[in-house]
Amino acid sequence: AQSVTQLDSQVPVFEEAPVELRCNYSSSVSVYLFWYVQYPNQGLQLLLKYLSGSTLVKGINGFEAEFNKSQTSFHLRKPSVHISDTAEYFCAVTPQGFQKLVFGTGTRLLVSP
Amino acid sequence: DAMVIQNPRYQVTQFGKPVTLSCSQTLNHNVMYWYQQKSSQAPKLLFHYYDKDFNNEADTPDNFQSRRPNTSFCFLDIRSPGLGDAAMYLCATSLAGGLNEQFFGPGTRLTVL
Repeated sequence: AQSVTQLDSQVPVFEEAPVELRCNYSSSVSVYLFWYVQYPNQGLQLLLKYLSGSTLVKGINGFEAEFNKSQTSFHLRKPSVHISDTAEYFCAVTPQGFQKLVFGTGTRLLVSP
Repeated sequence: DAMVIQNPRYQVTQFGKPVTLSCSQTLNHNVMYWYQQKSSQAPKLLFHYYDKDFNNEADTPDNFQSRRPNTSFCFLDIRSPGLGDAAMYLCATSLAGGLNEQFFGPGTRLTVL
């Protein structure tokens, strides 16, 4: 079985500061990894995904993530955040060849002026 | 634009009164999912359809049912809503055999009075 741990339930940060949202996963098989963003009262929007190849993945809205197989991590980063980045961020994994996403509990990013 | 549509966006029902939530998609994806997301929690998979094959999660209550009359539409029926069923319900789709990326609708927020 797979599991995802997002240790930080909430991350406060000032506008234009860098941010890192942490994600660790556990799996006995190869997985695909995803980051989704959820704005208030909306569905989930895919930020980026790691399927294979380069371990540094670039996504939308200036976000990027790095897959580290030895540390089983997939941390999300942005060099300079905006107020509009305030949202809930979910890390998710799915075993390769399967259809089910396993989500972490989410990290609320709070960007203040 | 190809998309996942959920209607209504907000639904209010009374305790014990059956309610149906609707999801449609123009992506022509053969897999459709229903998730329940309670406040400040990760989405929880209720069930999914692989074409017409229904796959129920082991811990999904019998109170929750689903129908998929055709590729484009999928319905979530809650036979006797309880106060604990108040949540955001998310529909998602994916292409079987693809790279497991799921596309989410905007969600329906269900209130039970």
